[in-house]
Amino acid sequence: NAGVTQTPKFQVLKTGQSMTLQCAQDMNHEYMSWYRQDPGMGLRLIHYSVGAGITDQGEVPNGYNVSRSTTEDFPLRLLSAAPSQTSVYFCASRATGRWEQYFGPGTRLTVT
Amino acid sequence: TQLLEQSPQFLSIQEGENLTVYCNSSSVFSSLQWYRQEPGEGPVLLVTVVTGGEVKKLKRLTFQFGDARKDSSLHITAAQPGDTGLYLCADTNAGKSTFGDGTTLTVKP
Repeated sequence: NAGVTQTPKFQVLKTGQSMTLQCAQDMNHEYMSWYRQDPGMGLRLIHYSVGAGITDQGEVPNGYNVSRSTTEDFPLRLLSAAPSQTSVYFCASRATGRWEQYFGPGTRLTVT
Repeated sequence: TQLLEQSPQFLSIQEGENLTVYCNSSSVFSSLQWYRQEPGEGPVLLVTVVTGGEVKKLKRLTFQFGDARKDSSLHITAAQPGDTGLYLCADTNAGKSTFGDGTTLTVKP
């Protein structure tokens, strides 16, 4: 099992550009989430999904879109990048009925 | 909106010392997780506690959950440099998790 994979590992964008952060898991987990982590802070929930075709907003959803067409994939789209979106982005998955989240290695995004 | 407060924010100690870090919630936890995150990596689960008053031990780590299920502590005995990292508490309910800002622990050899 590869677990949770994220691509790319590093990305630099200019203000106004759009991009998609990829996340995939091979554990057949129903729950998937996207978080951002700013320096010296914990993780803040952007969007989450409780199954294919079902997504919902988290704490800081503005400027981001998600979709969940399959159980395995949960991409995060930045519509028009802003410097405030400079952060480390983590994707996580969790099995139904289990508390443990499995995190990917993160994507370090810089918006100039 | 639930707020999780962790203290202290930073802790630097010598190898062999004991330490305790805390997590307090503005509302009752649904379920409480403690994670450790090393630099450049994602968090890794240490423990989940659900029942008020619960105590769990993981080698040199002892986790306590308050009777009212609004607070928790993590005690490390005889800290080692390998314990260095960011310790995060989280509340998970249905599909969502809320995280505290963490305690950054540095254990010097």
